[in-house]
Amino acid sequence: GAGVSQTPSNKVTEKGKYVELRCDPISGHTALYWYRQSLGQGPEFLIYFQGTGAADDSGLPNDRFFAVRPEGSVSTLKIQRTERGDSAVYLCASSSDRGPYNEQFFGPGTRLTVL
Amino acid sequence: AQSVAQPEDQVNVAEGNPLTVKCTYSVSGNPYLFWYVQYPNRGLQFLLKYITGDNLVKGSYGFEAEFNKSQTSFHLKKPSALVSDSALYFCAVRDSAGAGSYQLTFGKGTKLSVIP
Repeated sequence: GAGVSQTPSNKVTEKGKYVELRCDPISGHTALYWYRQSLGQGPEFLIYFQGTGAADDSGLPNDRFFAVRPEGSVSTLKIQRTERGDSAVYLCASSSDRGPYNEQFFGPGTRLTVL
Repeated sequence: AQSVAQPEDQVNVAEGNPLTVKCTYSVSGNPYLFWYVQYPNRGLQFLLKYITGDNLVKGSYGFEAEFNKSQTSFHLKKPSALVSDSALYFCAVRDSAGAGSYQLTFGKGTKLSVIP
């Protein structure tokens, strides 16, 4: 079956611009996660959705970052007034429910470059 | 707070030899432990997990990992390495309860190079 998909695969933007990154989880997965992976580092947790609601957004670095999942499926990560330090690969993952023992399935990521 | 340490940035092993990639962790409650592999320009792929029960868990592509509670370790192993195993390997932990139970915390990764 289809895995997690993310669009775009690459995004280049200028400092100060607004960007949206899209994630389409595996069909039927109720839990959705966003992570950020900087060069040479492991992924870092940003936000977790159970259904339509953000159950844990403690990983969002500041209020320029926001994510939505209005219908409990596709999610969009939004970044306002982008800064060069936002450059990273943004990963989306989904799992069948919120149990901590369930493995998360990751998408290929969106590489964001802020010039 | 939960954390993961992968003490080796890179591991080199000859093809056909056994390999070990090390991981230690810290959590408040009981750990749920995972290994993922990342190939160039591709997403993370799940290899195996430890939840409870037998300390030796087997996963995809012939990999296995041993959970050691006293040493807080979860090392990844394979009896005979293949050149195609060359990739970046990440250990990750989730706490069984509490605020961290939704979050996967990853180590920095270990680059495995299998030499023909």
